[in-house]
Amino acid sequence: DAKTTQPPSMDCAEGRAANLPCNHSTISGNEYVYWYRQIHSQGPQYIIHGLKNNETNEMASLIITEDRKSSTLILPHATLRDTAVYYCIVRPVSGYSTLTFGKGTMLLVSP
Amino acid sequence: DTAVSQTPKYLVTQMGNDKSIKCEQNLGHDTMYWYKQDSKKFLKIMFSYNNKELIINETVPNRFSPKSPDKAHLNLHINSLELGDSAVYFCASNGLVAGGLDTQYFGPGTRLTVL
Repeated sequence: DAKTTQPPSMDCAEGRAANLPCNHSTISGNEYVYWYRQIHSQGPQYIIHGLKNNETNEMASLIITEDRKSSTLILPHATLRDTAVYYCIVRPVSGYSTLTFGKGTMLLVSP
Repeated sequence: DTAVSQTPKYLVTQMGNDKSIKCEQNLGHDTMYWYKQDSKKFLKIMFSYNNKELIINETVPNRFSPKSPDKAHLNLHINSLELGDSAVYFCASNGLVAGGLDTQYFGPGTRLTVL
């Protein structure tokens, strides 16, 4: 079972920031927070991951609360191509651990 | 060049048939996976192979048999197909991202429809 809780859907206007929340209140000390997204009819795509510090890459920013019980994925300037299901995943970084996907958040970016 | 590729993209077949889905990755990764995404869009792990050896088998019926001829390929063979096998099957391989941590890169998926 997924160890994360996300809103089922969110809307965002094109060009605005999209802030996608995720709760992971039972996260362990050796578990990272990963974000993936799945655009319609495509395979999941890695976005970003973090342990406890905020992270930024060319796709997004990840803000993790100090107690690590929740996080927010930020797409700073959403485009129509960012419309997808976004998955927040908690994953131990050891061995051959797999990804346990929940239901994710369907983000709809509108003109 | 496609990092993780799957063939075919679509597969329509009758109940009871045997079919295979092929997966290849050109990333040099040692670990590969098969995931299944059902009609309700839940994505679940089926198998994991590391360097041609089975690592994870998530209680998948033995009608499903993964085969890894080399570490760049992980094929999925399904015997006696059932209606409930209809789904999208994703292959993935494991590699390093920033910070030395590993993550998974997914193929485009194979949509299997059993009639």
